[in-house]
Amino acid sequence: SYVLTQPPSVSVAPGKTANITCGGNKIGNKRVHWYQQKPGRAPVLFIYDDSDRPSGIPERFSGSNSGNTAALTISRVEAGDEADYYCQVWVTGYDSVVFGGGTKLTVL
Amino acid sequence: QVQLVQSGAEVKKPGASVKVSCRASSYTFSSQGISWVRQAPGQGLEWMGWIRPYDGKTTSAKNYQARVTMTTDTSTRTAYMELRNLRFDDTAVYYCARIAAVDHWYFDLWGRGTLVTVSS
Repeated sequence: SYVLTQPPSVSVAPGKTANITCGGNKIGNKRVHWYQQKPGRAPVLFIYDDSDRPSGIPERFSGSNSGNTAALTISRVEAGDEADYYCQVWVTGYDSVVFGGGTKLTVL
Repeated sequence: QVQLVQSGAEVKKPGASVKVSCRASSYTFSSQGISWVRQAPGQGLEWMGWIRPYDGKTTSAKNYQARVTMTTDTSTRTAYMELRNLRFDDTAVYYCARIAAVDHWYFDLWGRGTLVTVSS
């Protein structure tokens, strides 16, 4: 089965840049999607197809994907960005969706 | 308003079944697939499977193939997920989520979730 590995937690000071990684075998060959989830709420799509933003998502959020690592970058972090972030891919062949374990972003 | 409205919380005993509904509004229900994703307390997201409303084709994740049934009723724009033979570790929030498009396997719209508690 295909595994996506995320750091359990990332901490960043307000105004700084946060990088949340998502590791997987040859993940650069897949399309990676990112969701933000706040406590008690449903996930929300923040990045799709590696680096595209749905309407309404701030430009401070960006994505990249190459080799064995995808990343979500949050620039000029704000207190309201504190949440869990999940990466997700579709695995052809297994015909399956896979989520990473999630990363809790803490704004110091 | 484009949304997915899920049924209310359920409490079930071990061995019972639960059926969660997810009603779509303000978009063409038959044109986009619906996935089911669950989240145990304090845990991450786990994909359970998906259904294509226009013909009822389903694919279930391996962990759930023996116990889950996904269906749709296009006349009421509603998707259903039934999980049988419930265990204590099936206690979770169950989400339905809309698949963005064919060959675009991400979820652009989510229901608010349905808490299923398995307790004796």
